[in-house]
Amino acid sequence: SQTIHQWPATLVQPVGSPLSLECTVEGTSNPNLYWYRQAAGRGLQLLFYSVGIGQISSEVPQNLSASRPQDRQFILSSKKLLLSDSGFYLCAWSVRVGYSGYTFGSGTRLTVV
Amino acid sequence: GDSVTQMEGPVTLSEEAFLTINCTYTATGYPSLFWYVQYPGEGLQLLLKATKADDKGSNKGFEATYRKETTSFHLEKGSVQVSDSAVYFCAPPREGFQKLVFGTGTRLLVSP
Repeated sequence: SQTIHQWPATLVQPVGSPLSLECTVEGTSNPNLYWYRQAAGRGLQLLFYSVGIGQISSEVPQNLSASRPQDRQFILSSKKLLLSDSGFYLCAWSVRVGYSGYTFGSGTRLTVV
Repeated sequence: GDSVTQMEGPVTLSEEAFLTINCTYTATGYPSLFWYVQYPGEGLQLLLKATKADDKGSNKGFEATYRKETTSFHLEKGSVQVSDSAVYFCAPPREGFQKLVFGTGTRLLVSP
């Protein structure tokens, strides 16, 4: 069966520090991978998605970047965090979005102080 | 572009009350439509899906029917429980079917 792992679960980082969040998927090949952010009390904002190794599409210009160094690994990064980067970050995967939807990870709660 | 409109929350109900959360979308021709649920402090889980027009998805007592003629996918439950308190997201695929479009989410609060 397929599983998705996302870590860490909680993170408190000072302003200006770097960020690296990792997401890995098991049990499937060549998945589409997604990073979403959910600000407190708000909806979901798609940050990046990837349909293959090294292929990254950015939905909104911002202080973040994403990389996909391996087929089932998706990394969200920042060189210098801003207060506005605080939020709940969710990774998701899919094989056939239109028919199966997404499977989400458990999320990372990031607080920038 | 594609968009989805959900009724604003919070929706506050007493236990065993009937629930409807409205969802409408703009594009047509989606292969499937989805409802996701987010319990406090957790990621999103797929609640149910409908795979074609007029199809009814169901899970945990929740139901939603893919209405192509009204471009709607309303979520219903006949008798809610306190444990149903969560945020519910309607999510059709975006045109091109590589991504989902999420509604703003509707918070449901069920009191005993």
